[in-house]
Amino acid sequence: DIVMTQSPSSLAVSAGETVTINCKSSQSLLSSGNQKNYLAWYQQKPGQSPKLLIYLASTRESGVPDRFIGSGSGTDFTLTISSVQAEDLADYYCQQHYSYPNTFGAGTKLELK
Amino acid sequence: EVQLVESGGGLVQPGRSLKLSCLASGFTFSNYGMNWIRQAPGKGLEWVASISSSSSYIYYADTVKGRFTISRDNAKNTLYLQMTSLRSEDTALYYCARGIRAPFAYWGQGTLVTVSS
Repeated sequence: DIVMTQSPSSLAVSAGETVTINCKSSQSLLSSGNQKNYLAWYQQKPGQSPKLLIYLASTRESGVPDRFIGSGSGTDFTLTISSVQAEDLADYYCQQHYSYPNTFGAGTKLELK
Repeated sequence: EVQLVESGGGLVQPGRSLKLSCLASGFTFSNYGMNWIRQAPGKGLEWVASISSSSSYIYYADTVKGRFTISRDNAKNTLYLQMTSLRSEDTALYYCARGIRAPFAYWGQGTLVTVSS
């Protein structure tokens, strides 16, 4: 099974800061066939269902603000949130859908400093 | 508008069974693979099971294999999760989500399953 290691587990930020969340997979998520990385990022606000932010490591889902940037390839991935806003305070999860079982990272809680 | 509405959760004793449903609307259900994902109280997300559009391919997490069965009825636009031999560690909010071998772009609001005596 592919293990997803996410860091940090929590992050305290002030509005306007840029934050980086890391996700490392135990195996490469890069498909040799199409050179795509099967890595997604989700945002979950309290009391809400998860929301897809980024897929294929760096493609923003429709309607997601461009301050959310996904990057990385192979086994190392990053979600960067530039100029954090109060509405971005939430839990963030990475997920691999390269193979079964699909696996999620343990999550990163973004809190207000 | 894509909608996924879960139902069937509740309080159940350890060792008993429960069947969850997810009613889909706003898209052609029979064209999409579907999933169950759960979240224990205060914990992270755990993928549980996936089923392809025609039920040809089915996958389970090791934690539920042999106890849970995912199925679907394309005529009724409904996804199911039959859960047997329930344990306290199965207590969670159960979400259904659309997509197989793809990111989960659409999620329901979840149905809460509590396993306790």
